[in-house]
Amino acid sequence: DPKIIQKPKYLVAVTGSEKILICEQYLGHNAMYWYRQSAKKPLEFMFSYSYQKLMDNQTASSRFQPQSSKKNHLDLQITALKPDDSATYFCASSQDGGANSDYTFGSGTRLLVI
Amino acid sequence: QQKVQQSPESLTVSEGAMASLNCTFSDGTSDNFRWYRQHSGKGLEVLVSIFSDGEKEEGRFTAHLNRASLHVSLHIREPQPSDSAVYLCAMSRGTGGYKVVFGSGTRLLVSP
Repeated sequence: DPKIIQKPKYLVAVTGSEKILICEQYLGHNAMYWYRQSAKKPLEFMFSYSYQKLMDNQTASSRFQPQSSKKNHLDLQITALKPDDSATYFCASSQDGGANSDYTFGSGTRLLVI
Repeated sequence: QQKVQQSPESLTVSEGAMASLNCTFSDGTSDNFRWYRQHSGKGLEVLVSIFSDGEKEEGRFTAHLNRASLHVSLHIREPQPSDSAVYLCAMSRGTGGYKVVFGSGTRLLVSP
């Protein structure tokens, strides 16, 4: 059974629309993260949360808003979608926010904005 | 911000031959280094975590870290076709809510 569930697996959206990417982890971890992987670019850190609090935000645009309704959930809301937002978005979690904790990654949501 | 450079961009090896992947980083401020594997269309799988200079082995995967030369490598012993994937090195500093910086990856193809 997957320990981190990301939904949907694939998503096609129209420019200007809004979408929410879902992430739930069943590992009992206290820290969760979002990363983005665009074509030809390294995996890029977006957000980190620890105990449902935002710890770090490296996303320049306020169009990306993480939402944590429960400790094991970290959804990503993206508003006013642009074609440049097309990428695979990975959710990850770790036991805590310490650098010695290994990440577990979800299998990603592949977003295409047309 | 820490920069991470991986080489080669792609590598083809025969089944059973050693595969060696390299990663250089821009400064010595990172504490923690990891190698991940990503099969096509899948999430990332951690292979080896290394926190001090020297060598760390996990099964067929061995990481070597040399902070003085800003270099970390991964050696895969007896690679199999199922090891064909993109390999990513990653590093971070030991602060709360830490941010991991990834390299752009090495695409490994293991031919039977």
